[in-house]
Amino acid sequence: DSGVTQTPKHLITATGQRVTLRCSPRSGDLSVYWYQQSLDQGLQFLIQYYNGEERAKGNILERFSAQQFPDLHSELNLSSLELGDSALYFCASSVTSGGGDTGELFFGEGSRLTVL
Amino acid sequence: AQSVTQLDSHVSVSEGTPVLLRCNYSSSYSPSLFWYVQHPNKGLQLLLKYTSAATLVKGINGFEAEFKKSETSFHLTKPSAHMSDAAEYFCVVSGRQAGTALIFGKGTTLSVSS
Repeated sequence: DSGVTQTPKHLITATGQRVTLRCSPRSGDLSVYWYQQSLDQGLQFLIQYYNGEERAKGNILERFSAQQFPDLHSELNLSSLELGDSALYFCASSVTSGGGDTGELFFGEGSRLTVL
Repeated sequence: AQSVTQLDSHVSVSEGTPVLLRCNYSSSYSPSLFWYVQHPNKGLQLLLKYTSAATLVKGINGFEAEFKKSETSFHLTKPSAHMSDAAEYFCVVSGRQAGTALIFGKGTTLSVSS
């Protein structure tokens, strides 16, 4: 158990809908990262928050947004969903602000999104 | 910009034989490099990391990796495979700057037969 909690584990929805994925980081971790894993694209970095502020941005679509709250949990909002958004969405956390100094991210077990 | 290339999408070995998972990296400056493992229906777990100390890095479960700057490689090895090693393995690169995200390779699926 990594200590990172993601909900829901599975989600099935229709095209055009909006969903919210939630992540609770490990106790004491200030950084939260979101990744999307799909068969064709592999593991893609979406966005990172550190202590409530956006720290780094990757290949995140404009239809997607995220935030980190004062209690450090984070939410990833996906809107106007398309079939291609079906994927496994991972949240990870770390103590530090950057991935380069420690490199150890602790991953949750992911939220599997299916868009029909 | 940084990138990693995992040279094999799938590697099959027999239990008790050596494992070699290959990774080449590209980085405009001295990188940090990692290997993560993902077992079925699980999140990713750090196996080992290189951050400019010893070039031979030992990780968990008997895995190790050698950083070779001249070859821009960071191959993962294990002397003797176990059935429980069957999983997806990711080679990862990161810059040293704060806020630099980890960049994952496309992964190598390791199958272990008895």
